[in-house]
Amino acid sequence: DSGVTQTPKHLITATGQRVTLRCSPRSGDLSVYWYQQSLDQGLQFLIQYYNGEERAKGNILERFSAQQFPDLHSELNLSSLELGDSALYFCASRLGNSPLHFGNGTRLTVT
Amino acid sequence: AQTVTQSQPEMSVQEAETVTLSCTYDTSESDYYLFWYKQPPSRQMILVIRQEAYKQQNATENRFSVNFQKAAKSFSLKISDSQLGDAAMYFCAYRKPTQGGSEKLVFGKGTKLTVNP
Repeated sequence: DSGVTQTPKHLITATGQRVTLRCSPRSGDLSVYWYQQSLDQGLQFLIQYYNGEERAKGNILERFSAQQFPDLHSELNLSSLELGDSALYFCASRLGNSPLHFGNGTRLTVT
Repeated sequence: AQTVTQSQPEMSVQEAETVTLSCTYDTSESDYYLFWYKQPPSRQMILVIRQEAYKQQNATENRFSVNFQKAAKSFSLKISDSQLGDAAMYFCAYRKPTQGGSEKLVFGKGTKLTVNP
């Protein structure tokens, strides 16, 4: 168990809908990262938060947004969903120079 | 931008044998971290081993060891005495050092390892 909790495990929704993925980092970890894993693109970095502030953006679409709350949990919001958004979404956390610890991911299926 | 290349999409090994997975990376930095992560069918991302670029000694974790060649920008993973439970996707990853936790991991495309009984 990595200590990073992601909910829900699975999500099935229709095109055009909006979903929210939730992540609770390991206790004490200030940095939260979101990654998207798809068959064709591999593991793509989406966005990073550090202690409530956005620190870095990767290949995140404008339809996607995220935030980190005062209790350090994070949410990734995906809107106007398209078939191509179907993927495994990982949250990971770490403190300082420690390695990234990943949650078990949320499997999103857009139909 | 940093890139990580895993040239072997798939590898197979016999149980109890040794296998080496390749990884090369491109960076202009002198200090950085390299990682191998394992993703079994359960899809969880599990840290296998970590190497700091400033350390000349190759990292070892039980049956897993790396061959870190800094000048060649090569970072291969050796799995000794392979077990059925080692079957998984293996990802090589790179990260710059961080001040304030602001650096992301860059991943390779992965190598799918099959272990044959």
